[in-house]
Amino acid sequence: QKEVEQDPGPLSVPEGAIVSLNCTYSNSAFQYFMWYRQYSRKGPELLMYTYSSGNKEDGRFTAQVDKSSKYISLFIRDSQPSDSATYLCAMSALDGGATNKLIFGTGTLLAVQP
Amino acid sequence: EAGVAQSPRYKIIEKRQSVAFWCNPISGHATLYWYQQILGQGPKLLIQFQNNGVVDDSQLPKDRFSAERLKGVDSTLKIQPAKLEDSAVYLCASSSPGPQETQYFGPGTRLLVL
Repeated sequence: QKEVEQDPGPLSVPEGAIVSLNCTYSNSAFQYFMWYRQYSRKGPELLMYTYSSGNKEDGRFTAQVDKSSKYISLFIRDSQPSDSATYLCAMSALDGGATNKLIFGTGTLLAVQP
Repeated sequence: EAGVAQSPRYKIIEKRQSVAFWCNPISGHATLYWYQQILGQGPKLLIQFQNNGVVDDSQLPKDRFSAERLKGVDSTLKIQPAKLEDSAVYLCASSSPGPQETQYFGPGTRLLVL
């Protein structure tokens, strides 16, 4: 079993739709949860960062973490064609210090149709 | 603020040849990471440096891969000899210590081994 599982998609939605992206994980030591966005032929860029359980909102983006279920989600409201990209979930057990090893999901390819 | 720089952007070699990638992190970032991203997968950490010391190289295939970070700034990753399965994007990232340590990624070097 992989440490982090992510629905690979691809996911195609019309402009304005609400998008839900999800990851599950098996390592209960994970404390920090991130969502990265990766455009074609670019490096990943950090979108959302959440510590432990709970919700975090930033504009049209909402990240949710449910540690009891080992399940994290990213919601995109009013999706735009510019949101078309691969979305990667990532997790780590430590913040700073000696190691900050990120474990990534496989990524979900999202296409928002105008 | 300039981002993480990587070169070359693309490289095509034949199997058993050697290849080297270069990374210049964001100024002042003490931690540098090399990731391998195979098509359709998330990035996988190969090696992590703190200044010029290795923190984690547990997933680096040391029989063919080597990396160094001289003077705690630029870094090079080398593959010798290359295999077909080394075809991937090699991403460099850097971060600075803090309560929310964010890894900033470069654009990556796309390697094709024929």
